[in-house]
Amino acid sequence: QVQLQESGPGLVKPSETLSLTCTVSGGSISSYTWSWIRQSAGKGPEWIGRIFSSGSTDYNPSLTSRVTMSLHTSNNQFYLELTSVTAADTAVYYCARDEGAFDIWGHGTVVIVS
Amino acid sequence: DIVMTQSPDSLAVSLGERATIKCKSSQSVLYSSNNKNYLAWYQQKPGQPPKLLIYWASTRESGVPDRFSGSGSGTDFTLTIGSLQAEDVAVYYCQQYYFNPQYSFGQGTKVE
Repeated sequence: QVQLQESGPGLVKPSETLSLTCTVSGGSISSYTWSWIRQSAGKGPEWIGRIFSSGSTDYNPSLTSRVTMSLHTSNNQFYLELTSVTAADTAVYYCARDEGAFDIWGHGTVVIVS
Repeated sequence: DIVMTQSPDSLAVSLGERATIKCKSSQSVLYSSNNKNYLAWYQQKPGQPPKLLIYWASTRESGVPDRFSGSGSGTDFTLTIGSLQAEDVAVYYCQQYYFNPQYSFGQGTKVE
């Protein structure tokens, strides 16, 4: 079955760029749409954006000026970059398979901006 | 912004009793062309990612016990846990996926 695993630095300095990787196993990245979602402590999840198998993207309007997503089909990976981070970007970051509803999630990776 | 508002923020339910969680969308998530409500429910336990329970407002995800049921249409939705089990203690979230690119989640309801 499809599994997702996030990876990347757990600590990012303010004003720098957060970069995360999601590795897809058990299935082809080319078959689905993929999203990044984050969750700050004690709050509901926040959708960041999604990337289609074609490479086209949609971003949350509140983050669109700072977000870039991409994918690498041969590696079965997709990526998140978030620029000019502040403490408000501290959260658990998840990647998920996007069927509209999110049916498969990674375990999440904690990113602290400090 | 499409705002999803859940009620209550928390509730305490005895084992074996029914739990009812409400979710209200600031705009309708019913797509008239296919008569589907673009609304999902998730369960999240501490230290875990959210788990999809219900999609299309009332369709249970594979493997989800039938004590979980979803209902509602348009802007008002309900998640019901028919007979609460100990393993159902968690935070529950609703999510709309009608408005692109503005998927949004509710603030969560903690079930104890």
